[in-house]
Amino acid sequence: GENVEQHPSTLSVQEGDSAVIKCTYSDSASNYFPWYKQELGKRPQLIIDIRSNVGEKKDQRIAVTLNKTAKHFSLHITETQPEDSAVYFCAASLGNQFYFGTGTSLTVIP
Amino acid sequence: GAGVSQSPSNKVTEKGKDVELRCDPISGHTALYWYRQSLGQGLEFLIYFQGNSAPDKSGLPSDRFSAERTGGSVSTLTIQRTQQEDSAVYLCASSLARTGELFFGEGSRLTVL
Repeated sequence: GENVEQHPSTLSVQEGDSAVIKCTYSDSASNYFPWYKQELGKRPQLIIDIRSNVGEKKDQRIAVTLNKTAKHFSLHITETQPEDSAVYFCAASLGNQFYFGTGTSLTVIP
Repeated sequence: GAGVSQSPSNKVTEKGKDVELRCDPISGHTALYWYRQSLGQGLEFLIYFQGNSAPDKSGLPSDRFSAERTGGSVSTLTIQRTQQEDSAVYLCASSLARTGELFFGEGSRLTVL
């Protein structure tokens, strides 16, 4: 099956700085890579996703890049704000199955 | 409803008791997933239902865990003879098959004393 690794497990940045979270996957057949944000005590919610036929996708301050050859994908958050503080999960999807990373706890320091 | 609904939101039980957790997915979503989230851990896949197909039970950690989905809608996750290591948040998610996005419920926090 698929194995997704996520780094770092915790990340602290100053407000206004950028944050980068990286994930690797093992199965080259995976073709869909979503990122979920989970605020404290809340449900995970999709923030951005990318499919295997695309190398980069941007949505305002959030971007995701995908390197299929190296089997890794990254989440980039620019101009971080305190409300970006949350746990972020990457996932790789194969068919209808989703394999999640272990999460990154991001703290944005005002 | 507007989103995935789970109940109870919190459940405290004694070791050895059985518990049932309920998930009401978004209307029309054919795919339904159960995940377990232990403190500080990621999302551990438990079971997946897709329409009328046989469920993918490959993530269930032991035979004390079972789940069913009645009429292609509501799902119940049952944990028999609960153990302390079963303490976690159990998350349900639903999706339209093959569109990708999972919509999660708020979760059911289970505490086994």
